[in-house]
Amino acid sequence: GAGVSQSPRYKVAKRGQDVALRCDPISGHVSLFWYQQALGQGPEFLTYFQNEAQLDKSGLPSDRFFAERPEGSVSTLKIQRTQQEDSAVYLCASSFRSNQPQHFGDGTRLSIL
Amino acid sequence: AQSVTQLDSHVSVSEGTPVLLRCNYSSSYSPSLFWYVQHPNKGLQLLLKYTSAATLVKGINGFEAEFKKSETSFHLTKPSAHMSDAAEYFCVVSGGIQGAQKLVFGQGTRLTINP
Repeated sequence: GAGVSQSPRYKVAKRGQDVALRCDPISGHVSLFWYQQALGQGPEFLTYFQNEAQLDKSGLPSDRFFAERPEGSVSTLKIQRTQQEDSAVYLCASSFRSNQPQHFGDGTRLSIL
Repeated sequence: AQSVTQLDSHVSVSEGTPVLLRCNYSSSYSPSLFWYVQHPNKGLQLLLKYTSAATLVKGINGFEAEFKKSETSFHLTKPSAHMSDAAEYFCVVSGGIQGAQKLVFGQGTRLTINP
């Protein structure tokens, strides 16, 4: 498809486990963003890539959260030693350039038991 | 710092009647403002975008929004609601460094359409 693709759509993990969430942006999009959306809240910014460079990671809530985009295309958000408060929908967005509208994927719903 | 406040957490209207979703913004410089819609278990879809061109912005599905600098508002309207409009709506301001459009979201307004 032509949109932003995220996998898995749903992920259940036990507290303390590590998880990895994948984002396939729209082909050719330079900018990639990760957001966290808690239940009943608006999305909150986590981190931003321009190509493979992570230019802003000010929104990552702790050092347990790590994101990468090694080849400037697919990105992975990793959460180590998950905790219950990490339960949320994680949204990925991409844009052709940083000042262009962002296109969102359907998100990964993460539940930590 | 930039922020948006959505004044209503829930709006309920009858099908065929007008829709008004209210949003006030705070920005230290000329902002870019957006409205996004989110249907259940789906991602966010851009409805419309304001970037200091015309103050009245027309979007998809019959929605429009008016930028009022004097009132720091960017309310979303639609003349006639349709059942398919039922969703969560987010008012968004761009806030970033060096041109990056880090989006700052409001808390959302849930729109319910009554038959």
